[in-house]
Amino acid sequence: GAVVSQHPSRVICKSGTSVKIECRSLDFQATTMFWYRQFPKQSLMLMATSNEGSKATYEQGVEKDKFLINHASLTLSTLTVTSAHPEDSSFYICSATGGIYNEQFFGPGTRLTVL
Amino acid sequence: EDQVTQSPEALRLQEGESSSLNCSYTVSGLRGLFWYRQDPGKGPEFLFTLYSAGEEKEKERLKATLTKKESFLHITAPKPEDSATYLCAVIDYKLSFGAGTTVTVRA
Repeated sequence: GAVVSQHPSRVICKSGTSVKIECRSLDFQATTMFWYRQFPKQSLMLMATSNEGSKATYEQGVEKDKFLINHASLTLSTLTVTSAHPEDSSFYICSATGGIYNEQFFGPGTRLTVL
Repeated sequence: EDQVTQSPEALRLQEGESSSLNCSYTVSGLRGLFWYRQDPGKGPEFLFTLYSAGEEKEKERLKATLTKKESFLHITAPKPEDSATYLCAVIDYKLSFGAGTTVTVRA
């Protein structure tokens, strides 16, 4: 299957700082990328959908000013958690697809811990 | 709203003991049902896509089937390396995941 990478894999930051997470599709061009959040022992919850060159579409309840998403190219999307607080601590996972109804290939995830 | 329910929540198997996982769904316009495997601390790994009732797909010891209301993931003669959480997801305009079934296979 296609390969999706995320960086960093793990980040610890102080409350009030911003954290940027990168998601890259390594061997295919991703027309659409998705960002998910997963709390312990829970399933993945979609945060937002982003298409290259356009604004991301956020799910209900997700603050777009707090979770900034940029999809600058067909292989790179970034999620910036602004002014992070301890409640933002979670496992953030991106996925990429070549078509919205096609298989989504997931990155390895980023564990964010906000102190 | 789309709903995906997986059962059981957890499954403990002896090596070689075959079993099935269930995924039932309600979605207004099913465009695909996906099975993923997730290991602790990692992102989901794609296993199968099923598009229409009656469809079946196999990969090693895993076989996925689909009806109009549910999907089954059959694990035949599992090995300890099959231990993982198996996630089911359906897509209409977005991918909606079930809570997963955590499978533990003991040697």
